[in-house]
Amino acid sequence: EIVLTQSPGTLSLSPGERATLSCRASQSVSSNSLAWYQQKPGQGPRLLIYGASGRATGIPDRFSGSGSGTDFTLTINRLEPEDFAVYYCQQYASSPRTFGQGTKVEIK
Amino acid sequence: QVQLVQSGAEVKKPGASVKVSCKASGYTFTGYYMHWVRQAPGQGLEWMGWINPNSGDTKDAQKFQGWVTMTRDTSISTAYMELTSLKSDDTAVYYCARGSRIGATTNDPFHVWGQGTMVTVSS
Repeated sequence: EIVLTQSPGTLSLSPGERATLSCRASQSVSSNSLAWYQQKPGQGPRLLIYGASGRATGIPDRFSGSGSGTDFTLTINRLEPEDFAVYYCQQYASSPRTFGQGTKVEIK
Repeated sequence: QVQLVQSGAEVKKPGASVKVSCKASGYTFTGYYMHWVRQAPGQGLEWMGWINPNSGDTKDAQKFQGWVTMTRDTSISTAYMELTSLKSDDTAVYYCARGSRIGATTNDPFHVWGQGTMVTVSS
């Protein structure tokens, strides 16, 4: 099983700032099959990034993903008020399809 | 458009079973794997397993083996997840999510999710 560890647990930032979220895998994620999801209170997850760096349909270009192997990063440039949420990484290379524990981006 | 619509909230007593449904529309139901994910209150996302709606084959996460059953009814494009011997820590929102196209050489993330079904286990 691939274990994903996200850091930090909470990120306190102001609108307009840049957020940098990390996801580290316990073993290499093949084909960079790493996704990022956003979840707001009371809502289901929404796919943001797939294949480590591809943006899903309708996702603004202030969201970007990078990384390969075991280290991945989600960057949110110029935080908008609607970006304050919890973000999860997920590997979908193999079963079980594991998720990280989440990073909460909160308003400072 | 592609949509997954789940059944409504449930309240169950410990030891009971619950069956959650997930109706697919806007695509060929038998063409994509369906996954189930749960989220306990204030907690993260936990993958439970998948079903191949075409063949009925399933793969469960090790934690759920023996007490989760995933089925489907292709005539109404609906997947089901049944959890038995419920305990209080099974209280969670249960989601279905569309996975990879069946027969594809690579896996896909979960592009489409159901709205979630809240299952509360309480005596």
